[in-house]
Amino acid sequence: NAGVTQTPKFQVLKTGQSMTLQCAQDMNHEYMSWYRQDPGMGLRLIHYSVGAGITDQGEVPNGYNVSRSTTEDFPLRLLSAAPSQTSVYFCASTQTRSGNTIYFGEGSWLTVV
Amino acid sequence: RKEVEQDPGPFNVPEGATVAFNCTYSNSASQSFFWYRQDCRKEPKLLMSVYSSGNEDGRFTAQLNRASQYISLLIRDSKLSDSATYLCVVNRRDDKIIFGKGTRLHILP
Repeated sequence: NAGVTQTPKFQVLKTGQSMTLQCAQDMNHEYMSWYRQDPGMGLRLIHYSVGAGITDQGEVPNGYNVSRSTTEDFPLRLLSAAPSQTSVYFCASTQTRSGNTIYFGEGSWLTVV
Repeated sequence: RKEVEQDPGPFNVPEGATVAFNCTYSNSASQSFFWYRQDCRKEPKLLMSVYSSGNEDGRFTAQLNRASQYISLLIRDSKLSDSATYLCVVNRRDDKIIFGKGTRLHILP
């Protein structure tokens, strides 16, 4: 069972570079989301999606774009990386909007220099 | 003020002790509640859901007070393996899932 798969696990970027963090789930979950986790800040919601073709902003959306062309995939794009985006990123999915277990990917460690 | 607030940590307790975590949420549109556990450099994993009637899973008991917008987690007979960060999670009616900052627990031998 693959669950939620995130790639890459580690990445170093230069300021101004762009990249995409990939996230895929094989559980046919409607809801997918991206979080970043910084020391002392907990997990903060970046963007989320309640289904294919639908995305919305979370708590800290600036500097990130998402799309949801299929149920399975929910990539997170950094268009012009900044050192403030150095963080651990987690993709998550759940079957419905409430009351069900949220499954996380293993995380992507991103450093912007 | 963050929407989901948790006790600041870390909690350092001896093995076998009982420890309680508290969490408050400010958004009245919150509709479901969870406790997650996160080990160092790992992804969060579900510990238990929280219901108004209270629920128990072995040594773990969770309580929800909707009127006070308060959630708790009690761990009895703590084990070394309980050392982790415990995250309070709130799922809102507008589909946003919000995490508290987490409370770090160290169980001391």
